[in-house]
Amino acid sequence: DAGVIQSPRHEVTEMGQEVTLRCKPISGHNSLFWYRQTMMRGLELLIYFNNNVPIDDSGMPEDRFSAKMPNASFSTLKIQPSEPRDSAVYFCASTTGLAADTQYFGPGTRLTVL
Amino acid sequence: AQSVTQLDSQVPVFEEAPVELRCNYSSSVSVYLFWYVQYPNQGLQLLLKYLSGSTLVKGINGFEAEFNKSQTSFHLRKPSVHISDTAEYFCAVSEAGANNLFFGTGTRLTVIP
Repeated sequence: DAGVIQSPRHEVTEMGQEVTLRCKPISGHNSLFWYRQTMMRGLELLIYFNNNVPIDDSGMPEDRFSAKMPNASFSTLKIQPSEPRDSAVYFCASTTGLAADTQYFGPGTRLTVL
Repeated sequence: AQSVTQLDSQVPVFEEAPVELRCNYSSSVSVYLFWYVQYPNQGLQLLLKYLSGSTLVKGINGFEAEFNKSQTSFHLRKPSVHISDTAEYFCAVSEAGANNLFFGTGTRLTVIP
């Protein structure tokens, strides 16, 4: 299996622009997680889905952030409009959905907002 | 709610020396405990996890961790570190039966030649 796939790996954009991050989970996995990692705040859970349904989005910073999972093999995290403080590494992870199952992380997208 | 505290943000250690990375958790319910490792410019990978049973858990790359319920700790140990162990290590907790994790702030292990 190719593992969790994220694109792009790097994104540089200007403040005010829309940014879309993409994630393809491991085939057969039913749960998908979006995390944000910064030096100041560490690793934060933004939102997670079970069977394509958002379960907990309490970590989404504000209305500028939105996430969708239209099917079992694809999810997006969108920031509109982007701000410099959104600069971070964004990780996607997937798991089978069973309790305590290993989360498999993608390589991350490094976002820089100028 | 669950939370995790990793007391040491950075741990330098000489090659072939032993290391212990500390993790304490708080929770009002039964928990599962995890250690993940992040190598530079990569995502996190599972090192080991404790679900139930024996309190000493062995993981990959020679790491082990011991669950101590009375001290609410889950410290990670390795008897002899290698240069390739240089990475960031994250302790995480989840409520038993759940599949979402709460991560600590991480400990950066630097192995010195």
